Amino acid sequence: ETGVTQSPTHLIKTRGQQVTLRCSSQSGHNTVSWYQQALGQGPQFIFQYYREEENGRGNFPPRFSGLQFPNYSSELNVNALELDDSALYLCASSFSLASGRENNEQFFGPGTRLTVL
Amino acid sequence: EDKVVQSPLSLVVHEGDTVTLNCSYEVTNFRSLLWYKQEKKAPTFLFMLTSSGIEKKSGRLSSILDKKELSSILNITATQTGDSAIYLCAVRGNAGNMLTFGGGTRLMVKP
Repeated sequence: ETGVTQSPTHLIKTRGQQVTLRCSSQSGHNTVSWYQQALGQGPQFIFQYYREEENGRGNFPPRFSGLQFPNYSSELNVNALELDDSALYLCASSFSLASGRENNEQFFGPGTRLTVL
Repeated sequence: EDKVVQSPLSLVVHEGDTVTLNCSYEVTNFRSLLWYKQEKKAPTFLFMLTSSGIEKKSGRLSSILDKKELSSILNITATQTGDSAIYLCAVRGNAGNMLTFGGGTRLMVKP
């Protein structure tokens, strides 16, 4: 196991609702990235947080937002849920490039499976 | 836009067989290529390949990066049922620490 934890494990919501997913990074890691993995597909990058600020974003609308806290844990918020938001949401932690370590591995948590009805 | 394509989409083999999984990529300012194994939920890190480390090996698994052909292969020898999983390839380019993943190869190893 990587030491990255996510909660909750599973979640069922209805269209239009809002959801918050949580991630605790591996000890010593200061960067958190979020990915969405639809069934049968590879993970897609949503965004990354470093030093409590968004540090890169994929092709996701603004209703996907996030936070990073001083202890490096992070939240992913999704507003106005749509059916297509049903997916496995993965969080990955790593050292940032700014820490002087290039090409750092990203270690994934177990994910939160979100179902939107 | 960075792009990663994996082949085959799925593969069924018998225990003891050797398999080769393929990954090709298009990326701006390539920095690294990573392989992950995903059994149920969390992708588990296998290898990272860079310009200075184009070949990695761990037990029955090995991987090679071909920067000229913009591709990588993951080899698994003497496969076991425990190797059954989805194998994901990802590349890191210019955009910070973001990974671009392929669609994965689903490997099933039959006893």
